[in-house]
Amino acid sequence: GAVVSQHPSWVICKSGTSVKIECRSLDFQATTMFWYRQFPKQSLMLMATSNEGSKATYEQGVEKDKFLINHASLTLSTLTVTSAHPEDSSFYICSARDWASGGTGELFFGEGSRLTVL
Amino acid sequence: LAKTTQPISMDSYEGQEVNITCSHNNIATNDYITWYQQFPSQGPRFIIQGYKTKVTNEVASLFIPADRKSSTLSLPRVSLSDTAVYYCLMSSGAGSYQLTFGKGTKLSVIP
Repeated sequence: GAVVSQHPSWVICKSGTSVKIECRSLDFQATTMFWYRQFPKQSLMLMATSNEGSKATYEQGVEKDKFLINHASLTLSTLTVTSAHPEDSSFYICSARDWASGGTGELFFGEGSRLTVL
Repeated sequence: LAKTTQPISMDSYEGQEVNITCSHNNIATNDYITWYQQFPSQGPRFIIQGYKTKVTNEVASLFIPADRKSSTLSLPRVSLSDTAVYYCLMSSGAGSYQLTFGKGTKLSVIP
């Protein structure tokens, strides 16, 4: 099946710094990617929809100036957590859909990126 | 998107068949039912998807009654490695592919 890869898989940073997480579709093109956040023992929460060549669409309550999303190519979307604070520590997961693979509503997820802010 | 309701947790012994039922009373006509599996610190993995009746693949079966207000994921002969959280989601046809995750079902397989 289609592969979505995230990098880094884990990152530790100091409070106040910015961290960038990459999401790549390795063998297909994705005009749209989705970014989720998951806190321990909780479900995935959709943060934003990343659109290639245009602005991302953020879910209610998600600060667009804090979570910068760039989708400059059909295979890469990046999420930058700006001025990170300990409460931003979470597991960030991206997903993308391979239209060419057929099916409906099947998304392929990345491995996730665990962010720890000290 | 339709709201889903699943049991919070289930326990099963190795080798048994496990059935996880999901309620989705407000499912829309163009909604598909999709199940994902998630291990700790990993992204969700697609298991199976269906629209009605029965779908079977190499890892699971999905049973959907005629009214489509519920669905049952069936895992045959579970092993310890099937311990994970299982999510039931609705996805609205080909034009809308945003998925909203519910709380999922934590399946614990006991030796």
